[in-house]
Amino acid sequence: KAGVTQTPRYLIKTRGQQVTLSCSPISGHRSVSWYQQTPGQGLQFLFEYFSETQRNKGNFPGRFSGRQFSNSRSEMNVSTLELGDSALYLCASSLIGRGEKNTGELFFGEGSRLTVL
Amino acid sequence: GENVEQHPSTLSVQEGDSAVIKCTYSDSASNYFPWYKQELGKGPQLIIDIRSNVGEKKDQRIAVTLNKTAKHFSLHITETQPEDSAVYFCAASKGLNTGTASKLTFGTGTRLQVTL
Repeated sequence: KAGVTQTPRYLIKTRGQQVTLSCSPISGHRSVSWYQQTPGQGLQFLFEYFSETQRNKGNFPGRFSGRQFSNSRSEMNVSTLELGDSALYLCASSLIGRGEKNTGELFFGEGSRLTVL
Repeated sequence: GENVEQHPSTLSVQEGDSAVIKCTYSDSASNYFPWYKQELGKGPQLIIDIRSNVGEKKDQRIAVTLNKTAKHFSLHITETQPEDSAVYFCAASKGLNTGTASKLTFGTGTRLQVTL
């Protein structure tokens, strides 16, 4: 079974530009979450999508947005890039259930490393 | 919002010794506490988790304990091996029963080094 696939793995942008990152979840997983990882702030939740709808959102400015397609693939976009947006962006997929059926396990991809110059 | 503190930030142990990492959380509504291991160049991987209705859980050399009253939970690794060297993250969520456990608040991580 293929894991979570993120593209591109590495990218360099300049301030003011925008970037789109892509995530293909594990087959059958309908929930996709995005996290930002930096040395200073650690792992921070950006947002979660389930059935093409944003279910949860973290405390990030509106420059960070995302979407999910009918095949559960997801993209996140960062507009007007700032130096502080340099980070590893991690996508995670999961099965969703209720109560004891909800394992809660997130399956992370290897991330997209964004450098903003 | 939820805040998770994790200690220590670095931990060096000799092969065969035990390692303990501790976390505290602030939101008493949290009901799900996973631990993730992140190796260099890879995404985090779940190694063990515990729900708020359980006090302890063990999986081979790894165990997790939860004290809801004190809002503490800990990871215990026994008989450490060089391949245990990695960064370990604790996390907390209050969405397990509502299907929104994906919103995790992570601790700051512990870099574990197992020396020969």
